[in-house]
Amino acid sequence: ETGVTQTPRHLVMGMTNKKSLKCEQHLGHNAMYWYKQSAKKPLELMFVYNFKEQTENNSVPSRFSPECPNSSHLFLHLHTLQPEDSALYLCASSRLQGGDTEAFFGQGTRLTVV
Amino acid sequence: SQQGEEDPQALSIQEGENATMNCSYKTSINNLQWYRQNSGRGLVHLILIRSNEREKHSGRLRVTLDTSKKSSSLLITASRAADTASYFCATQAPDYKLSFGAGTTVTVRA
Repeated sequence: ETGVTQTPRHLVMGMTNKKSLKCEQHLGHNAMYWYKQSAKKPLELMFVYNFKEQTENNSVPSRFSPECPNSSHLFLHLHTLQPEDSALYLCASSRLQGGDTEAFFGQGTRLTVV
Repeated sequence: SQQGEEDPQALSIQEGENATMNCSYKTSINNLQWYRQNSGRGLVHLILIRSNEREKHSGRLRVTLDTSKKSSSLLITASRAADTASYFCATQAPDYKLSFGAGTTVTVRA
């Protein structure tokens, strides 16, 4: 266990559904991230939150909507997704101070869009 | 944007052999990190090497960094079946952003 918990672990949703992914960490980290992992591709950084403020949005389509109510919780709201959005979605957290930062990852949510 | 690129994409070795994988990157970094991922699960941090370091060891892991060539290598000695996983390098830029490659899939045959 890395201290980062993601729920649900698996999610199947239709293209017209609305669902949310949840990530929680109690490591005292001040930065949280959403990554998308598709087969045979590098991890794609989607969003970064630093002290609850979004500092990065890597041209992610608006059908993905992040929310960070506090430094321990991060959500990814999903609506009208496409089949190509099927992937493993990974949440990570880190402590942003000093020169080095190690990311702690959750187990991921395997999303299938049908 | 992708920063690290691992090579080879896949590696199959016999238990007891050493496994070596490489990572190349493009821009300046604060440090380079290696992570491991078991099938369909999250990534686990293995080792971090700073830009002013050349070599680092942790148990059966040995990491080298050549900033002049913008490359790093990860060596796993005396491999075990439990080392079967995907291995990713990640570069940390001065803005703290971590960028990952596509990974090397290592299979250790018993």
